[in-house]
Amino acid sequence: LAKTTQPISMDSYEGQEVNITCSHNNIATNDYITWYQQFPSQGPRFIIQGYKTKVTNEVASLFIPADRKSSTLSLPRVSLSDTAVYYCLVGVPYSTLTFGKGTMLLVSP
Amino acid sequence: ETGVTQTPRHLVMGMTNKKSLKCEQHLGHNAMYWYKQSAKKPLELMFVYSLEERVENNSVPSRFSPECPNSSHLFLHLHTLQPEDSALYLCASSQGLTGTQYFGPGTRLLVL
Repeated sequence: LAKTTQPISMDSYEGQEVNITCSHNNIATNDYITWYQQFPSQGPRFIIQGYKTKVTNEVASLFIPADRKSSTLSLPRVSLSDTAVYYCLVGVPYSTLTFGKGTMLLVSP
Repeated sequence: ETGVTQTPRHLVMGMTNKKSLKCEQHLGHNAMYWYKQSAKKPLELMFVYSLEERVENNSVPSRFSPECPNSSHLFLHLHTLQPEDSALYLCASSQGLTGTQYFGPGTRLLVL
């Protein structure tokens, strides 16, 4: 199983760009990188998924270097409502969708 | 979000009670999951169903009993629970076991 390491917490201010980096040194060839967002007392919400290079959607961007040993979730111009826990997951089969402790992002006014 | 719904949203039960959690997905998926999230702990995968067949049971105590009558519904039957079973129970579904999982809002369970 590819283990992931991400910061426990991050602080930001409204309007700033936030980049959360996840390390996954043991990522396998078939593994994808997926990010989820979770608000308190709610289920995780899928944000973005990628395999290599860069993926962008209406919510975020995901940057993956050529060696795929890390990835960076980029949230443009965060708002207070982006305060949440962000999980980085690596794998394909369901059994590798192991949620770690995630990164608690706190956005302040 | 109405893709995956869970009822009830909150539940308080005594250790001798029997209750059931219900999950329903409206996404046409064929795999469903139960997770447990205790305070300040990562999500723990409990059960996985694919095409209505259980494919994984992660060493979950027998006081938790899942049921998947069809691809849209998933139940978690609870009996003789312990206070340490108090947690947020989350249901998810996906298209195939490798598809992106979509989560429900969860049931907040308190065992007294």
